[in-house]
Amino acid sequence: DGGITQSPKYLFRKEGQNVTLSCEQNLNHDAMYWYRQDPGQGLRLIYYSQIVNDFQKGDIAEGYSVSREKKESFPLTVTSAQKNPTAFYLCASSLYFEADTEAFFGQGTRLTVV
Amino acid sequence: AQSVTQPDIHITVSEGASLELRCNYSYGATPYLFWYVQSPGQGLQLLLKYFSGDTLVQGIKGFEAEFKRSQSSFNLRKPSVHWSDAAEYFCAVSSGSNYQLIWGAGTKLIIKP
Repeated sequence: DGGITQSPKYLFRKEGQNVTLSCEQNLNHDAMYWYRQDPGQGLRLIYYSQIVNDFQKGDIAEGYSVSREKKESFPLTVTSAQKNPTAFYLCASSLYFEADTEAFFGQGTRLTVV
Repeated sequence: AQSVTQPDIHITVSEGASLELRCNYSYGATPYLFWYVQSPGQGLQLLLKYFSGDTLVQGIKGFEAEFKRSQSSFNLRKPSVHWSDAAEYFCAVSSGSNYQLIWGAGTKLIIKP
């Protein structure tokens, strides 16, 4: 079945550590996105990629990094510079980066700093 | 600034009752409008979208939404809710000049038996 797979579902990080969240899609979509979700705040865009080997900062990119070396994969690294990383992280993809395209979402990764 | 407002943080309705979730947007350009649904601890799924044409759009799971340009609104409706509709609902907007989706804060729907 086609879809987006995020792993792990739950992730615990010690303060000062970098962690990488995985996102893989087999939909052959060009565009991919990372969102952060906090209660009562909706979704906020961290990074997006319109095409392989290209990515752009979103509204809250500080403390995060990404790569897009393969079309299918868009991993997100939460660095120690991110001061408040505990949140629910959602990866999404769309066929192309246009206003009228539907975004397909993964099941999310819940990151907790301990 | 572009923004999306969902005035209701949560709404409680009885099973079988009708539902309307409100969404207002502030956008300079012609908007592209979306409603997504999120079950607890899950990703989001598209319910319906509006780009142009008939202002009443039908979506999945028996939902519909009406675009009212004069009121800058895109309210989601369902004639009769089921317990399985309990979830969080998000309105989102983009435009031809800004492809990034702008999201509302969400409305949590609670169903009373």
